[in-house]
Amino acid sequence: QQPVQSPQAVILREGEDAVINCSSSKALYSVHWYRQKHGEAPIFLMILLKGGEQKGHDKISASFNEKKQQSSLYLTASQLSYSGTYFCGTEEDSGGSNYKLTFGKGTLLTVNP
Amino acid sequence: KAGVTQTPRYLIKTRGQQVTLSCSPISGHRSVSWYQQTPGQGLQFLFEYFSETQRNKGNFPGRFSGRQFSNSRSEMNVSTLELGDSALYLCASSLLSTARREKLFFGSGTQLSVL
Repeated sequence: QQPVQSPQAVILREGEDAVINCSSSKALYSVHWYRQKHGEAPIFLMILLKGGEQKGHDKISASFNEKKQQSSLYLTASQLSYSGTYFCGTEEDSGGSNYKLTFGKGTLLTVNP
Repeated sequence: KAGVTQTPRYLIKTRGQQVTLSCSPISGHRSVSWYQQTPGQGLQFLFEYFSETQRNKGNFPGRFSGRQFSNSRSEMNVSTLELGDSALYLCASSLLSTARREKLFFGSGTQLSVL
């Protein structure tokens, strides 16, 4: 089942902060975050595993709330290079051995000077 | 190390035709997965191959098929093309599996236009 991302789009000025949310109705094992710039391949940002992990990557960090099956991506002091579409991918905690990553529809982030 | 290579980069076909897309994963990667990307729909999972076996499949009609060769290279085939098949098709490779702790390395995709 496709996770729901919010907001669909956000416009920032350089230096501002943003939060992108990803939620699922299914119990999750992991949440992945990717960023895709226009005309380019999606690039891996981070993976969070169940257990309520919080990870950071420079000024981009994320959390995973296992109880709510929600993940949030935090972008602080945004830079022009942060512009792009952010996708969360979720893996259900089905206990099976065939792993499938299901992506949300994406959040378009635009950072202006 | 070379990245994930997809060919061709662009493709124009007409309704009813069939098409084959190719993906060469990063050397040593054994898992290849395919995604369809359309505006507003995000990345829709098509299927995943590992060691020449299809391990998982998304909710696409049987017109969409794929295979993986012994060198891990993968092909995706779409038969009897429809206008709605116009999309960017992305291939991603990973060392072992599509999810869990494995991060995906995406290719730049094949932009398919069906006229």
